[in-house]
Amino acid sequence: QVQLVQSGAEVKKPGASVKISCKASGYTFTTYKIHWVRQAPGQGLEWMGWIDAGDGNTKYSQKLQGRVTFTNDTTARAAYMELSSLRSEDTAVYYCVRDESDWGQGTLVTVSS
Amino acid sequence: EIVMTQSPATLSVSPGERATLSCRASQSVSNNLVWYQQKPGQAPRLLIYGASTRATGSPARFSGSGSGTEFTLTISSLQSEDFAVYYCQQYNDWPRTFGQGTKVEIK
Repeated sequence: QVQLVQSGAEVKKPGASVKISCKASGYTFTTYKIHWVRQAPGQGLEWMGWIDAGDGNTKYSQKLQGRVTFTNDTTARAAYMELSSLRSEDTAVYYCVRDESDWGQGTLVTVSS
Repeated sequence: EIVMTQSPATLSVSPGERATLSCRASQSVSNNLVWYQQKPGQAPRLLIYGASTRATGSPARFSGSGSGTEFTLTISSLQSEDFAVYYCQQYNDWPRTFGQGTKVEIK
């Protein structure tokens, strides 16, 4: 079955960067996009963008453009999300999602001084 | 960007009753809409895609309808495990956008 397994929780200081991994199994990795979605505590869902796991093309939300970078490693069947210049409002659970269908378990990122 | 508006924000329903959740798009999204269910501490789970097609493993009591700008998720007879937050999301255009969610709680 399809599984997306994300890396563990992170605590970062304001201004730092964080990189989260999402390891995929159970399907042909290169034939789907991986989307990234975040959810601040007690809030709704915010789409951050996607990476095409086949050709590496990316699309970023305008709000995060310039601070977020998606990459992938087809050999490792993994996608990565890096967010820089962290601020307190970036505290959230970050999810990777395979094309609106399968979700990772989420990674909590806490930004605090 | 397309704004998705869900109503009501909270729906109080007794087990066994029918629940009807609404989602409206600020412009047409055709039938490119999904519904997710999210329980506390869990990732969202896909229930419906293409506005009306049940995802694998989604119980038959969940049904979706609508196209264009108006969509509905119906839970025919609420079970205890259905009390959760439900989100709609359009995938017709960039950026993808979500509704703010409807919380279905026990009456």
